[in-house]
Amino acid sequence: SAVISQKPSRDICQRGTSLTIQCQVDSQVTMMFWYRQQPGQSLTLIATANQGSEATYESGFVIDKFPISRPNLTFSTLTVSNMSPEDSSIYLCSVEDLSLEETQYFGPGTRLLVL
Amino acid sequence: DAKTTQPNSMESNEEEPVHLPCNHSTISGTDYIHWYRQLPSQGPEYVIHGLTSNVNNRMASLAIAEDRKSSTLILHRATLRDAAVYYCIRKQGGSEKLVFGKGTKLTVNP
Repeated sequence: SAVISQKPSRDICQRGTSLTIQCQVDSQVTMMFWYRQQPGQSLTLIATANQGSEATYESGFVIDKFPISRPNLTFSTLTVSNMSPEDSSIYLCSVEDLSLEETQYFGPGTRLLVL
Repeated sequence: DAKTTQPNSMESNEEEPVHLPCNHSTISGTDYIHWYRQLPSQGPEYVIHGLTSNVNNRMASLAIAEDRKSSTLILHRATLRDAAVYYCIRKQGGSEKLVFGKGTKLTVNP
């Protein structure tokens, strides 16, 4: 199984600012994903981070608000731009294990509070 | 649209078996059934998955109905550490996406 770390683990930010969240995997993976989990809610997929190409965003999420980088096969970043209190959520990255029929391993999440 | 239906919550006693149901009546022939769980303050954790046959691993068993319209996750002996939200997910064959529903919050009583 892959081991995933995220930085920061939590942050408190002021509205209008931006925060970049890092996701590091201990092995090379093809697919990386970013999810959002709003308070008391389930997970919602934001985008798929593809190495060497632009991220693929889900309906309701746009690149200007959530720019994603994927410089190599072990690392990705998600930026939450021009934050508002509605962006207060847990942001999680995950990776796909192709050897186990596309199951996913998740990072511990980044807890973001926007004031 | 998560396309699965689960009870919002269930309770169990420690050391007893737990059967968590999931309805996926519109499942297609190539959809896998995946189960994940999310312990408090952690990211989701893969539990088990299957296509047609029942599956067993060290964490749980997955019983899939013959018509595939429902499945049951079985925890053979619940422990306090099994208290979590359990998500039943239809995963389209060939697609990498996981669509999470609301899941079942399992409470384990000592």
